[in-house]
Amino acid sequence: DADVTQTPRNRITKTGKRIMLECSQTKGHDRMYWYRQDPGLGLRLIYYSFDVKDINKGEISDGYSVSRQAQAKFSLSLESAIPNQTALYFCATSDISGGGDTQYFGPGTRLTVL
Amino acid sequence: AQSVTQLGSHVSVSEGALVLLRCNYSSSVPPYLFWYVQYPNQGLQLLLKYTSAATLVKGINGFEAEFKKSETSFHLTKPSAHMSDAAEYFCAVSDRGSSNTGKLIFGQGTTLQVKP
Repeated sequence: DADVTQTPRNRITKTGKRIMLECSQTKGHDRMYWYRQDPGLGLRLIYYSFDVKDINKGEISDGYSVSRQAQAKFSLSLESAIPNQTALYFCATSDISGGGDTQYFGPGTRLTVL
Repeated sequence: AQSVTQLGSHVSVSEGALVLLRCNYSSSVPPYLFWYVQYPNQGLQLLLKYTSAATLVKGINGFEAEFKKSETSFHLTKPSAHMSDAAEYFCAVSDRGSSNTGKLIFGQGTTLQVKP
């Protein structure tokens, strides 16, 4: 089984709809991250969380919110989706206790907003 | 603040030829550097990482990268390309400044095409 899972894998929605993307991990890591990928722009950080009570905005948090329901679960919400939020979204986890800051990525959710 | 620049959004090589993907970084502190690969319709997979030990880092699938502080570079190489290497490659630096968030700052990516 995959260590980092994301649901759904694909989603098509309409402008103005509320959408939630979910991420679960079995790696036991404290840190979790949400990125979006756009062609030619690489991955950009939306939100990150160091633990259940520590949530921080990334560089492109406007229009998004998150919830860290447990150590293993980190959800991303689009309260009112707009077409320029069409992108590939990745969840990642890391455990820097051993040094190195390596992040482990889920398979991604492809979101299309019409 | 840290940043990463990948030179060339598309690189095309022939099967068996040398692969060279370029990455330059900017960091106010000694950097941790990463190369990730993304195959079609998949997530990102770690190829290799530099964390201030040996400057020549060996990764999976025959890839390696050399950290050159004087050139602020961390280029990825492979002596002989395989068709299966066709993918998108991302260079990234870890945020290890005063905030030490561990978040990754990514380059814009380089698509590697391997021709038969």
